[in-house]
Amino acid sequence: GQNIDQPTEMTATEGAIVQINCTYQTSGFNGLFWYQQHAGEAPTFLSYNVLDGLEEKGRFSSFLSRSKGYSYLLLKELQMKDSASYLCAVKDSNYQLIWGAGTKLIIKP
Amino acid sequence: DVKVTQSSRYLVKRTGEKVFLECVQDMDHENMFWYRQDPGLGLRLIYFSYDVKMKEKGDIPEGYSVSREKKERFSLILESASTNQTSMYLCASSLAGDAYEQYFGPGTRLTVT
Repeated sequence: GQNIDQPTEMTATEGAIVQINCTYQTSGFNGLFWYQQHAGEAPTFLSYNVLDGLEEKGRFSSFLSRSKGYSYLLLKELQMKDSASYLCAVKDSNYQLIWGAGTKLIIKP
Repeated sequence: DVKVTQSSRYLVKRTGEKVFLECVQDMDHENMFWYRQDPGLGLRLIYFSYDVKMKEKGDIPEGYSVSREKKERFSLILESASTNQTSMYLCASSLAGDAYEQYFGPGTRLTVT
């Protein structure tokens, strides 16, 4: 079967750095997406990785290792507005997105 | 900016009713999707469409049907609503191609009593 694993919940302090991990087992791989979803709102796109390595976009970076079936989202200089759920999704061999259940990130002052 | 709109934010229906959820996107996207989102589960794909009048089943199509008569509009139909269809329904659209992200509507929280 296809599976995406992420921690259910994480807590971090304002101004700190947090890393949210995602491991996947899918039939094929055609890219990995990270989305942010604030409570009661729609998911919004953060990043896309298809090759191994780190993609940096401001305070957010995303890393991919295809051989390990592993990705992480790194958030720096955390702000209170970063409190949200972070969703990992993998595009499989049929080019369909398989979604993780999401990681709820709680930022404390 | 891409905009995806859904007809209702909140909807309450009775068991057995026929329910229509409408989704409209304004960026000429080829692909459109319907998901449901339940606590503790990832987004689950109900149906998707790559073109007008085309539809493909997702992971959980049972109890649902869809219609795409115009490129910008994708409708989800619950033929006979049941309590286990109480959920958040999210519509999304994207350009054709592997690397393009999906843009989501605000969601419809449907309660079936």
